[in-house]
Amino acid sequence: SQTIHQWPATLVQPVGSPLSLECTVEGTSNPNLYWYRQAAGRGLQLLFYSVGIGQISSEVPQNLSASRPQDRQFILSSKKLLLSDSGFYLCAWSVRWRDGYTFGSGTRLTVV
Amino acid sequence: AQRVTQPEKLLSVFKGAPVELKCNYSYSGSPELFWYVQYSRQRLQLLLRHISRESIKGFTADLNKGETSFHLKKPFAQEEDSAMYYCALLLTGGGNKLTFGTGTQLKVEL
Repeated sequence: SQTIHQWPATLVQPVGSPLSLECTVEGTSNPNLYWYRQAAGRGLQLLFYSVGIGQISSEVPQNLSASRPQDRQFILSSKKLLLSDSGFYLCAWSVRWRDGYTFGSGTRLTVV
Repeated sequence: AQRVTQPEKLLSVFKGAPVELKCNYSYSGSPELFWYVQYSRQRLQLLLRHISRESIKGFTADLNKGETSFHLKKPFAQEEDSAMYYCALLLTGGGNKLTFGTGTQLKVEL
């Protein structure tokens, strides 16, 4: 069956520290992969998406970056976190647009 | 610009009452729209798709191109319908990207 794993579930990091959030997909090949940030009252904001290994498209200029080292692995990173990076980060995958997205369980990041 | 608007942050209805969650979109092409739902302590999940013309858990949504709307409706609200609902629009330009509205919190009261 197709599943998506996202970790960690919660993370508290000091300002200026690095970040690495990981997302892996099982049970499908060559999926499109996405990173969204969910903020109260602001909905879901698309940060990055990838249509293949090594292919990353950035939607919003910011302090974050993404990488896809393997077909089913998507990583969200930062070299130095800012307070404004706090939020709830969601990973998702899709293969056919008509089937919509499958979302991970999310990571709650608090930068202190 | 491609945009999805959900004008209500919170919608509170009584059990058994009809529900309508509003969604309006801005898009120059032929729109493909979705509704997603997030129940408490659960993942965001697909509820229904415009293209499937389906009814899921008693919910339906009709695309009205004239009014650029895709409102979500249910004739009789149930307590288990309480959740956060997001309307989403498929974007052009490849990648199957979705743009989401800001969401509406539905609260069904007894």
